[in-house]
Amino acid sequence: QKEVEQNSGPLSVPEGAIASLNCTYSDRGSQSFFWYRQYSGKSPELIMFIYSNGDKEDGRFTAQLNKASQYVSLLIRDSQPSDSATYLCAVNSATNKLIFGTGTLLAVQP
Amino acid sequence: ETGVTQTPRHLVMGMTNKKSLKCEQHLGHNAMYWYKQSAKKPLELMFVYSLEERVENNSVPSRFSPECPNSSHLFLHLHTLQPEDSALYLCASSQDSWHVGGGETQYFGPGTRLLVL
Repeated sequence: QKEVEQNSGPLSVPEGAIASLNCTYSDRGSQSFFWYRQYSGKSPELIMFIYSNGDKEDGRFTAQLNKASQYVSLLIRDSQPSDSATYLCAVNSATNKLIFGTGTLLAVQP
Repeated sequence: ETGVTQTPRHLVMGMTNKKSLKCEQHLGHNAMYWYKQSAKKPLELMFVYSLEERVENNSVPSRFSPECPNSSHLFLHLHTLQPEDSALYLCASSQDSWHVGGGETQYFGPGTRLLVL
């Protein structure tokens, strides 16, 4: 089992819709969770981090964490074509290493 | 601009060449990292430096040699590379590394796109 799993996509959503990106992790001791956005040919850029169960909102982005289910998600409201990118989930494991998933490619259709 | 710069942005080298990648962070961070990103694979951690001391070497072949002369600069020296080493090499920094209880929020540089012929 991969330590951090994401569906590679592409996830295609129409402009204005909600995009839902999901991530599962294997280490129950994980404490910190991050979402990075990576445009094609560019480096990863931190969007959000979340530590506690529940939702955390920042503008059009909402991160959701459920430690019991070992599941973290990122919702993007009112999706724009400029949101089209690969979204990387990263988990700070119990040994404190930051482990990345392979990323989900999001395509927002105008 | 993330405060982490890398040069060169693109590099083409032969298998017998020697080259170096440079990273500089302007964020006052104590930890710096080298990652390799290949197509369809997760980011692979290569090396971690905390206060100029190497604290992690993730089973990286010796043809990759890191150097951290101070907490703001990190180099990756390359020699006798193989075509499968072609990838995007990313530098990152964080306030502290996980070895001292930090390492949570890492900021990435733009990367060096390396092609080995």
